[in-house]
Order: sequence, then structure tokens, then C-alpha cells
Amino acid sequence: EVQLVETGGGLVQPGRSLKLSCVASGFTFNNYWMSWTRQAPGKGLEWVASITNSGGSTYYPDSVKGRFTISRDNAQNTLYLQMNSLRSEDTATYYCTRNRGGDYWGQGVMVTVSS
Amino acid sequence: DVVLTQTPVAQPVTLGDQASISCRSSQSLVHSNGNTYLEWYLQKPGQSPQLLIYKVSNRFSGVPDRFIGSGSGSDFTLKISRVEPEDLGVYYCFQATHDPTFGGGTKLELK
Repeated sequence: EVQLVETGGGLVQPGRSLKLSCVASGFTFNNYWMSWTRQAPGKGLEWVASITNSGGSTYYPDSVKGRFTISRDNAQNTLYLQMNSLRSEDTATYYCTRNRGGDYWGQGVMVTVSS
Repeated sequence: DVVLTQTPVAQPVTLGDQASISCRSSQSLVHSNGNTYLEWYLQKPGQSPQLLIYKVSNRFSGVPDRFIGSGSGSDFTLKISRVEPEDLGVYYCFQATHDPTFGGGTKLELK
């Protein structure tokens, strides 16, 4: 059974950093691209970042480029999202997904950016 | 950026009826490799989104055949025949031909 479990969310002040983790199980992790997608409270879905299966290439929308970094440790079956210079508009539930859209999704982790 | 416009924003339905959702793209979603990376997701209340359809018309594992995806180029449709209670929620289209983007969502709700 495919499982994606995110951790690392919480309350953080504007301008500070936070790192999310996603542990994957039930599939061969290094065979798949992985992504992060977020959802602000009461809003729609927004793609945040993707990484190739080897980790050699990463992709971001303009809204987070230069502030967020996606990475992975294929030996540990773990995906990461380093978020720097956080803003109030980054407040959202962050989902770890397999592939670029998401044939599988984690349960999500809440990130609140507020002073 | 590719903009996906979903209509309607809300679709009131009676159980057992058919529902139809449109997703129009600001650019063609045909990739240079010939594939069209248009997907449909359902987010039920309080749950993570789940994949229904990939590459326009392919049902994901376990998705009932009452879900039918169609379309080409920049114009796509998701039809749900014989709506059941577990089909209620918000539907999103998504494209990965270009930098990925989601549509704004369509809420399928009881009339």
C-alpha cells in the first residue's frame, strides 16, 4: 500500500524558515518524480514544487521560486521542502504527492505563518 | 502560466443524475511528445484530493466507470453519470504539459 506521511508543519513568524518532510512507503521511491502542492484555508490547490526521480532537476512556480527548495533522500525514501522567507500568503496545508499532479497524496500538514 | 478555467463553479445535482464539468485551458495542452497531460481530481470534504482521470480519459485504479473524461487541445470535460453520494465534493482539473497548474475547482453539491 502506498503511503505518504508529512511532518514538520506548525506556526512560524513571517520571514522565518520551516522544513517539511514526507516519508514514502509501499513503492520504489527512486522510480518516481515527487511534488508538493498546497491549499490555503478555504481555497483551491496550488502546485508548489516538483523533483525528478534522481533529484537532478527541480521545478517551482514563480510564487515560491528562490524561497522554497525541494529535495529528496532516495536512501531514506524521504522528500523535503525547505521554506525560507515565509510570508502570510504561504499559510496553507501542504501535501506531498507522487508524480507531478498526484496519483497518491499524503494527509497534509498545516503551515501557519503569523506573528 | 497556463490558466485552467473550470465551469461551473458550483453544480447542484440530484442523486442519480448526470453531471458535467468543463475545463478550458489558455494554451493547448498537447505536449511535444504527443501526450496531453490533463488530469481530474476529487477532493471530498475533510480529505486529501484523489486522482480520478489522467491523460484526458484514462481512469485511475479503482475509479468507477461512471467517471468519463474527454476532450482535446484546450477544451476538456469530466462527465459523471448517475451521481452517487460519495461523488460529492470539489473537482479540480490539472495540467502538467507546461509548468503545472490547477483549475479553480467545481463544487458538486446536492440540489
